[in-house]
Amino acid sequence: AAGVIQSPRHLIKEKRETATLKCYPIPRHDTVYWYQQGPGQDPQFLISFYEKMQSDKGSIPDRFSAQQFSDYHSELNMSSLELGDSALYFCASATQGGVRETQYFGPGTRLLVL
Amino acid sequence: AQSVTQLGSHVSVSEGALVLLRCNYSSSVPPYLFWYVQYPNQGLQLLLKYTSAATLVKGINGFEAEFKKSETSFHLTKPSAHMSDAAEYFCAVSKGQGAQKLVFGQGTRLTINP
Repeated sequence: AAGVIQSPRHLIKEKRETATLKCYPIPRHDTVYWYQQGPGQDPQFLISFYEKMQSDKGSIPDRFSAQQFSDYHSELNMSSLELGDSALYFCASATQGGVRETQYFGPGTRLLVL
Repeated sequence: AQSVTQLGSHVSVSEGALVLLRCNYSSSVPPYLFWYVQYPNQGLQLLLKYTSAATLVKGINGFEAEFKKSETSFHLTKPSAHMSDAAEYFCAVSKGQGAQKLVFGQGTRLTINP
């Protein structure tokens, strides 16, 4: 079965640089969530989209922005990167119909800011 | 607001022994509850979920959990531990219907002793 695809899987950036993380949800899933997991920490919700509209917002820095496109893939744009942004970034997808309320996670993008 | 507390950041059991990972939740509305497992350097995999149907939920890999409203608990159990169960386990809660973010517990690292 198709899973959530995230790219890149690993990313190394310098401070103050920008990064773009991509997420391709499971086919026919209309909802995308982004989470940030710092070293040794639990995942923290950043932002979500339903049918290409922002549906909820968590502890996402103003330096970050995200959107969901017409094909339902999503991108997380991160600017002015800081050392503290080093983390594992997960995307999860879900559908409002079918198996409700189950979020399926991608493998994550590991971002290292030097 | 919703929250989850996982009792015990580290649990160690012998192979073949009972596994019990504790999770207590707080929610202002009837919650949906989830257990996810994370293997090293991998994403989050859904073990099982409670969505207001049967209170005893069976999941993959022989795990099950029981929703107890009176105790606000959703503990994860497995009768006989296997070496392959060694991983990080996260309990999570959401508000349920609609596109709702997951709020995770701090995680419990399960170690299996031979």
